[in-house]
Amino acid sequence: GAGVSQSPRYKVAKRGQDVALRCDPISGHVSLFWYQQALGQGPEFLTYFQNEAQLDKSGLPSDRFFAERPEGSVSTLKIQRTQQEDSAVYLCASSLVYGNTEAFFGQGTRLTVV
Amino acid sequence: KQEVTQIPAALSVPEGENLVLNCSFTDSAIYNLQWFRQDPGKGLTSLLLIQSSQREQTSGRLNASLDKSSGRSTLYIAASQPGDSATYLCAVARETSGSRLTFGEGTQLTVNP
Repeated sequence: GAGVSQSPRYKVAKRGQDVALRCDPISGHVSLFWYQQALGQGPEFLTYFQNEAQLDKSGLPSDRFFAERPEGSVSTLKIQRTQQEDSAVYLCASSLVYGNTEAFFGQGTRLTVV
Repeated sequence: KQEVTQIPAALSVPEGENLVLNCSFTDSAIYNLQWFRQDPGKGLTSLLLIQSSQREQTSGRLNASLDKSSGRSTLYIAASQPGDSATYLCAVARETSGSRLTFGEGTQLTVNP
């Protein structure tokens, strides 16, 4: 596709439910990032992949958060046993090469935990 | 830990006015700085990227400057239009953290017709 695609665009989950958020990066982009954006705040880094390798997961807020990119293309962010504080917009970004921070962002997935 | 601050948090101006958005960061060891635009319910659109060795970048009515030693950047918007209404985010990448971006909280701009 022409840009970074995220699905679903909106997700409502009951507290305690598991959710999976998908990111399709721009074809050929090596680097992939996940960010979390709370209402009225700037995005905060969650994790980073270079191809299939997860090189930095220091931003994941708890062990309930898990991300994977098994074939170095599509990535999935999984949140287990969701809690209300997980409500946020989850943004995915990709860039062509490692070290090039001109990243292209998807439209995000808005997660609401009720 | 890198911290990025944007001032003001919100700004409302009449159409046609020139305006300046400010961004400051605490650690000057940056790889580059980017300005993004975010419309409600949308992702981020990159406006300008300034490498650490550069002083400014221009695109159309936008001009971004970088003073790395003082930890400051400004985004200048000339002849503002209602279509410029959005949230503007500043983000820096540290030299030692690869491509990871640290964002400010943004400036919410409203341009009134």
